Amino acid sequence: EDQVTQSPEALRLQEGESSSLNCSYTVSGLRGLFWYRQDPGKGPEFLFTLYSAGEEKEKERLKATLTKKESFLHITAPKPEDSATYLCAVQPTGFQKLVFGTGTRLLVSP
Amino acid sequence: DAGVTQSPTHLIKTRGQHVTLRCSPISGHKSVSWYQQVLGQGPQFIFQYYEKEERGRGNFPDRFSARQFPNYSSELNVNALLLGDSALYLCASSRVDGSGNTIYFGEGSWLTVV
Repeated sequence: EDQVTQSPEALRLQEGESSSLNCSYTVSGLRGLFWYRQDPGKGPEFLFTLYSAGEEKEKERLKATLTKKESFLHITAPKPEDSATYLCAVQPTGFQKLVFGTGTRLLVSP
Repeated sequence: DAGVTQSPTHLIKTRGQHVTLRCSPISGHKSVSWYQQVLGQGPQFIFQYYEKEERGRGNFPDRFSARQFPNYSSELNVNALLLGDSALYLCASSRVDGSGNTIYFGEGSWLTVV
């Protein structure tokens, strides 16, 4: 069964304190791994898609990396506006659906 | 370009009633998927439609149905509503059949069943 586990469930950082979020996955075959940001009461906002182990993508203070078993979302010098829930999802080969984890709630304090 | 648009944004229904939720994909996107997100959980896949045909179905009861129209917009229908159907319903669109392309989500429709 395809499964995604995200850790930690919640993370509290001071502004400027860098950290990483983890996404572990088991999937029969990986078509893509997706990262989204979700603000309270809103739909998920697309951040990155990674397709193969070793791939890295960056956007502003965020950097996503991928191995054969997990992905990391690195947040460098976060700001309060980075506070949100970060969702990880895998798209299994041969399927169109996304299988999501339960997310990491990030709170960045000034 | 407009993003994925969903309507209504909020609605309240009574147990046993029927609800229809609507989604317009991003212009040029032919694939539409529906997800249910319960508070504190990640979205759960319900359906995917591509070129007006159902291409995938998640583990949801037959009370849930959907369709896609010639203009690629989509409707999600839920019959005989239960309290447990209260959730954020998300629509997602992508350019091709979901492979190797970005999948964008709308802001969702909040359904409360009382």
